[in-house]
Amino acid sequence: DQQVKQNSPSLSVQEGRISILNCDYTNSMFDYFLWYKKYPAEGPTFLISISSIKDKNEDGRFTVFLNKSAKHLSLHIVPSQPGDSAVYFCAASRGTGNQFYFGTGTSLTVIP
Amino acid sequence: EAQVTQNPRYLITVTGKKLTVTCSQNMNHEYMSWYRQDPGLGLRQIYYSMNVEATDKGDVPEGYKVSRKEKRNFPLILESPSPNQTSLYFCASSFNAMNTEAFFGQGTRLTVV
Repeated sequence: DQQVKQNSPSLSVQEGRISILNCDYTNSMFDYFLWYKKYPAEGPTFLISISSIKDKNEDGRFTVFLNKSAKHLSLHIVPSQPGDSAVYFCAASRGTGNQFYFGTGTSLTVIP
Repeated sequence: EAQVTQNPRYLITVTGKKLTVTCSQNMNHEYMSWYRQDPGLGLRQIYYSMNVEATDKGDVPEGYKVSRKEKRNFPLILESPSPNQTSLYFCASSFNAMNTEAFFGQGTRLTVV
């Protein structure tokens, strides 16, 4: 059973606009969340993370928002650039656990 | 350069022929894990290791074995591969399991015919 879900398989955005990628989770015990970016023929690379004690974390053009009551997190990319075109995975873990759970990924295309 | 190295990158094999995919990291990370990526299913954790001689099952361990005899190496063993193990495999390492990001290898594309 998928504990982390990304319901949008793909997203297209114009260059310079905001990209919003969404992720939902079912396990209320998750307390650490990460976003990874993956280019074709490469392994995923870490992008940004957030602990459940926060509701927002920002790193340059990337911001992750966490809504614990809705069990929902989102990644905002502003402004979007063509180099951001990739597959984005969200992942979750429990602080006292040892497993990581990934979503199915969202393929972002930024149109020049 | 800090990296996770997997070998081979591509492998085609026949059903039942034992194979090993190697994984090595040079960052002195304690935590290592294996994932498989399949269309529509995302990344699923196969096995993970908290440290040397400490391994545990992830979400989809059936048909796989691992070992962690040294901190830097974490091979994935398929004793009797089957076609449903055709997939893209990633090895990853992180400083520890607690709230730290993972570094991934470049992937191994395995086809079992």
